[in-house]
Amino acid sequence: SAVISQKPSRDICQRGTSLTIQCQVDSQVTMMFWYRQQPGQSLTLIATANQGSEATYESGFVIDKFPISRPNLTFSTLTVSNMSPEDSSIYLCSAGLADKGTQYFGPGTRLLVL
Amino acid sequence: SQQGEEDPQALSIQEGENATMNCSYKTSINNLQWYRQNSGRGLVHLILIRSNEREKHSGRLRVTLDTSKKSSSLLITASRAADTASYFCATDESGGYQKVTFGTGTKLQVIP
Repeated sequence: SAVISQKPSRDICQRGTSLTIQCQVDSQVTMMFWYRQQPGQSLTLIATANQGSEATYESGFVIDKFPISRPNLTFSTLTVSNMSPEDSSIYLCSAGLADKGTQYFGPGTRLLVL
Repeated sequence: SQQGEEDPQALSIQEGENATMNCSYKTSINNLQWYRQNSGRGLVHLILIRSNEREKHSGRLRVTLDTSKKSSSLLITASRAADTASYFCATDESGGYQKVTFGTGTKLQVIP
């Protein structure tokens, strides 16, 4: 299995500011992903974090709003830029183990934008 | 966007009873995974079933997969109050890229 940590666990931010969320995996993984979970909803994939290249974004998500970095096989960051109250959500990163197909999730970052 | 639907959306049972949740999806899949989430916290991976498997067990959990009907079910036997959580199915239809798409979720309440 993979153990995933995220920082910060929660934050309260003012509109117009940006927040960078960090995701650390305890082992090298091939795939890392970022999800958003709006209040009372299911999870929606934001993007695939590609190691050494630009992230692959899902429909409705753009790099200017959610820039992602993945400098190595164990670490990724997601920035939520120019925040508005609609960005208030839980943001989760996940990692996939290629040999098993299982996706493991971090504990999430709970973001409130005022 | 969600790959599929889960039903029921909410389920309330007495402790000791069995709970069954269903998941339907729309496209061919590599595997299907079930997760549990307690009160908006992180997701706990419960079980993975591959497209060539029909049934899988893990403790009090039993998962079935019917690829002809594009559906799966999660059965929790002898439920406990600690099973109270939201349960999500997630399908990998990405051809090995491990990108999963989540269902709408079932909120389970187990009454002591």
